[in-house]
Amino acid sequence: AQSVTQLDSHVSVSEGTPVLLRCNYSSSYSPSLFWYVQHPNKGLQLLLKYTSAATLVKGINGFEAEFKKSETSFHLTKPSAHMSDAAEYFCVVSGGYTGGFKTIFGAGTRLFVKA
Amino acid sequence: NAGVTQTPKFQVLKTGQSMTLQCAQDMNHEYMSWYRQDPGMGLRLIHYSVGAGITDQGEVPNGYNVSRSTTEDFPLRLLSAAPSQTSVYFCASSKRQGGNQPQHFGDGTRLSIL
Repeated sequence: AQSVTQLDSHVSVSEGTPVLLRCNYSSSYSPSLFWYVQHPNKGLQLLLKYTSAATLVKGINGFEAEFKKSETSFHLTKPSAHMSDAAEYFCVVSGGYTGGFKTIFGAGTRLFVKA
Repeated sequence: NAGVTQTPKFQVLKTGQSMTLQCAQDMNHEYMSWYRQDPGMGLRLIHYSVGAGITDQGEVPNGYNVSRSTTEDFPLRLLSAAPSQTSVYFCASSKRQGGNQPQHFGDGTRLSIL
């Protein structure tokens, strides 16, 4: 079975401080993992993806995520938040299972950035 | 660079009405899908298609129909709208169905059922 849990529904940071958005996953098979960002009234945009290559994945806009198999985590980080980072972020697990294929979205984490 | 285009952007319906949400992509992607987004629930898969002429049900298919007559278009039909179908609907596409394929999303259709 596959599942994904975003541990925080809301995160608030000050501009210029680090961002940490937490994601834990469960998968019977080696999964692919993604982070997407959604700005207001927009669709989801891919930030980065992990597909069993390097465990530290760099994405757009200075974001990166580290795949930790032992902890079943795929947390998203950024060294210094910018006002434009305020948005909702989704962790997604995707992969095959016996008899099919599935993509599961986390519930989302809304990031607030204070000036 | 159109990507995935959804129309309309907003729609208000009365209970029992039917309508079609349009989705088109210009990237020659095989895989297309429809999701609904509700607060605190992430995105849930309604229907998907792995190619022209092939569709299948997702997690929440009841009350919706789809067809895929061309590679480019994947319309979603609400047969008899119900207030529980008030949601934001997203169409997405990827080169093919597969774990390592990122999806490209449209900007969504915001649907209210009164």
